[in-house]
Amino acid sequence: ELKVEQNPLFLSMQEGKNYTIYCNYSTTSDRLYWYRQDPGKSLESLFVLLSNGAVKQEGRLMASLDTKARLSTLHITAAVHDLSATYFCAVVNQGGKLIFGQGTELSVKP
Amino acid sequence: DSGVTQTPKHLITATGQRVTLRCSPRSGDLSVYWYQQSLDQGLQFLIHYYNGEERAKGNILERFSAQQFPDLHSELNLSSLELGDSALYFCASSVEQGRTGELFFGEGSRLTVL
Repeated sequence: ELKVEQNPLFLSMQEGKNYTIYCNYSTTSDRLYWYRQDPGKSLESLFVLLSNGAVKQEGRLMASLDTKARLSTLHITAAVHDLSATYFCAVVNQGGKLIFGQGTELSVKP
Repeated sequence: DSGVTQTPKHLITATGQRVTLRCSPRSGDLSVYWYQQSLDQGLQFLIHYYNGEERAKGNILERFSAQQFPDLHSELNLSSLELGDSALYFCASSVEQGRTGELFFGEGSRLTVL
């Protein structure tokens, strides 16, 4: 059974600092997604990573995928308050189901 | 706006009751997924329909059922409601069959069971 684990689960950052969120998954998959969720809101798709070594960047966020290590990272550069949200990674299992990690609650403080 | 529409946005009901949540996928999307989000369980996959047929089941209780209609909208029926069913229920849609492509989520239906 596919398990997806994120760490840290809670992250309090200062504005301007850099940090990385990690997403590990337990079985082979070649497709990984990152989503953002604001409190009480829907999930917004951030990145779709489809192959080993894939790297995508959007603004202050950069995501990468290492399928051999079963690891994806979401790197935050020079954090700003607007990035405060919960970030989820999700992986497709053999049966085609999208399985989510627990989420990382990010709080960026001035 | 993802293009996925869910109604109602909020619903308050009592234990033992039955409710129906409705989802209209993005135009052109044939796949509909239902997820339950709660504080203790996180985001749990419930069920997936493709073009009217059930494709995969997740941790969906027997008290819950779903269907996808010929016009591709979907309904999630929750019956004999318990306090623990209080959660945010999301519908998502995508184009691809089988191997899941990018999912687009609706705003969710917040269910409160008193």
